Amino acid sequence: AQSVTQLDSQVPVFEEAPVELRCNYSSSVSVYLFWYVQYPNQGLQLLLKYLSGSTLVKGINGFEAEFNKSQTSFHLRKPSVHISDTAEYFCAVRPHRGSQGNLIFGKGTKLSVKP
Amino acid sequence: EAGVAQSPRYKIIEKRQSVAFWCNPISGHATLYWYQQILGQGPKLLIQFQNNGVVDDSQLPKDRFSAERLKGVDSTLKIQPAKLEDSAVYLCASSLGVGNTEAFFGQGTRLTVV
Repeated sequence: AQSVTQLDSQVPVFEEAPVELRCNYSSSVSVYLFWYVQYPNQGLQLLLKYLSGSTLVKGINGFEAEFNKSQTSFHLRKPSVHISDTAEYFCAVRPHRGSQGNLIFGKGTKLSVKP
Repeated sequence: EAGVAQSPRYKIIEKRQSVAFWCNPISGHATLYWYQQILGQGPKLLIQFQNNGVVDDSQLPKDRFSAERLKGVDSTLKIQPAKLEDSAVYLCASSLGVGNTEAFFGQGTRLTVV
């Protein structure tokens, strides 16, 4: 079975400050890793994903994440946030095989960017 | 390309009533998912279809929830009878297949059971 832990339920930051949203996962099989963003009253939008290869992946809106296999982490970072980044962010994993491809989500981190 | 369409966007019903949600996935996507997102939690899979067959419904409360995907395209999710704890956002998603393919999400249906 797989599980995803997002260590911070809420992260307040000031505009133009850097931010890191933490994600750790547990799995007995290899997984693909994803970050989704959810704006108020909207569905989930894919920010970035790690499938294989370089452990540093770049996504949309200036976000990036680094896969650390030894620490089973996939933290999301942005060097300078904007007001428009205020949203909820979800980390998710999907097993490579042994399942039907279901996404398992963390509980989410609410990013609040203040002026 | 058109995204995943869901309707209605909002629904308020009394407990013990029934309700149905509709989802139209992206054209050509074989895999369709229904997720339940309770306030303060991440989405949880209810059911997954591959074309018109069910491949995972292990977390679907089958005594009250049902879903179908006739003809392998549109899907409906039904709750009968609804309970207070069913208040949540119901998200539909679709993907070309499983594995590393991206899942695209609809805007969701917010259900409030009073």
